[in-house]
Amino acid sequence: KAGVTQTPRYLIKTRGQQVTLSCSPISGHRSVSWYQQTPGQGLQFLFEYFSETQRNKGNFPGRFSGRQFSNSRSEMNVSTLELGDSALYLCASRVESSYNEQFFGPGTRLTVL
Amino acid sequence: AQTVTQSQPEMSVQEAETVTLSCTYDTSENNYYLFWYKQPPSRQMILVIRQEAYKQQNATENRFSVNFQKAAKSFSLKISDSQLGDTAMYFCALPNSGYALNFGKGTSLLVTP
Repeated sequence: KAGVTQTPRYLIKTRGQQVTLSCSPISGHRSVSWYQQTPGQGLQFLFEYFSETQRNKGNFPGRFSGRQFSNSRSEMNVSTLELGDSALYLCASRVESSYNEQFFGPGTRLTVL
Repeated sequence: AQTVTQSQPEMSVQEAETVTLSCTYDTSENNYYLFWYKQPPSRQMILVIRQEAYKQQNATENRFSVNFQKAAKSFSLKISDSQLGDTAMYFCALPNSGYALNFGKGTSLLVTP
């Protein structure tokens, strides 16, 4: 089975722009979660989508949004980029099970100038 | 609120030696899973080992084992016969009730020849 894929892998944007990141989960996984990883804050949960519905949301401003399509692929969008949005954005997919193992993609490295 | 604390930002160990990474956590749940994830430099995060809280037996995966002390809310990772490929960031993680993972700040492990 192919793993979780994320595109693009690297992105450079300027303040005020918006960006869309994409994640394709492992085949059969209906849950997709997004995390932001920064040196200062570590790994922080953004949101989770399951069957095209946002099921859980972390403590991030409304500039961060996401969606999930019927094939379970997910996108996250960040509008009005700020310097502090520079981070590695990780996507993880999982199959509904008792132990909630999440499989991570390689991440998208976003740099905001 | 759930918290995960890793008190060792950096550790180093020589090849073939044993190292233990510490993790403490707080949760009001009675049954839950705990995870250790590994993030090698510039590579994606992978699950190392998981422990179910109601199982008294400590989990073991090849050279990786845990010391799970439920009453003390402690979940340490022991790596035996360390190899150069074990060099990575190691994250302890605890899912919340909504399946989002709460991560510790991580321990950077360097294995030296």
